[in-house]
Amino acid sequence: DTGVSQDPRHKITKRGQNVTFRCDPISEHNRLYWYRQTLGQGPEFLTYFQNEAQLEKSRLLSDRFSAERPKGSFSTLEIQRTEQGDSAMYLCASRPGRGFSSYEQYFGPGTRLTVT
Amino acid sequence: DAKTTQPNSMESNEEEPVHLPCNHSTISGTDYIHWYRQLPSQGPEYVIHGLTSNVNNRMASLAIAEDRKSSTLILHRATLRDAAVYYCILATTGANSKLTFGKGITLSVRP
Repeated sequence: DTGVSQDPRHKITKRGQNVTFRCDPISEHNRLYWYRQTLGQGPEFLTYFQNEAQLEKSRLLSDRFSAERPKGSFSTLEIQRTEQGDSAMYLCASRPGRGFSSYEQYFGPGTRLTVT
Repeated sequence: DAKTTQPNSMESNEEEPVHLPCNHSTISGTDYIHWYRQLPSQGPEYVIHGLTSNVNNRMASLAIAEDRKSSTLILHRATLRDAAVYYCILATTGANSKLTFGKGITLSVRP
């Protein structure tokens, strides 16, 4: 499968714990996005990387959230001191820098986080 | 980001055409009209996009009004697999080009 992969697919954690999610984009895609989706809503943008540089962060990304993309390949999203309001689907998407389909974002299956 | 307005839901019969409307009266000259869909328990997937002219691809057609203030996604023959939430999104195709999703329209397909 050459699509975007995310790990884990599901995570249940207790309030106050830290969690880390991983996203592996399509290999030749230099742009990577994180979104969050709560029940009944469309995805909301969290942050954007071009190669290893984090170029934009949403106001939704509080100080408890941090994202990295070392070496411009996979990315991680960490949430510290989780709260029940963090329960959501976390989606990763990647996009090529140029070429025929450079406008199209390819989404992974998401990581569903439940904070108890 | 410019905003779009879509009905909450629509029903269709299998093998019939489906027209999904979208209003975007505040669209700017550099905004492209994108459509994504999200099947149950999956991430969104790209459907089609356009700027001014009508567009066709293997999945769907996009009809854009002459004043660009509205558009319609056309599924020519709905299948059960087309049941999903369809999002109409305005975005540039620039370097960042994040997507701003609304609630979308939920399409149900009756066998």
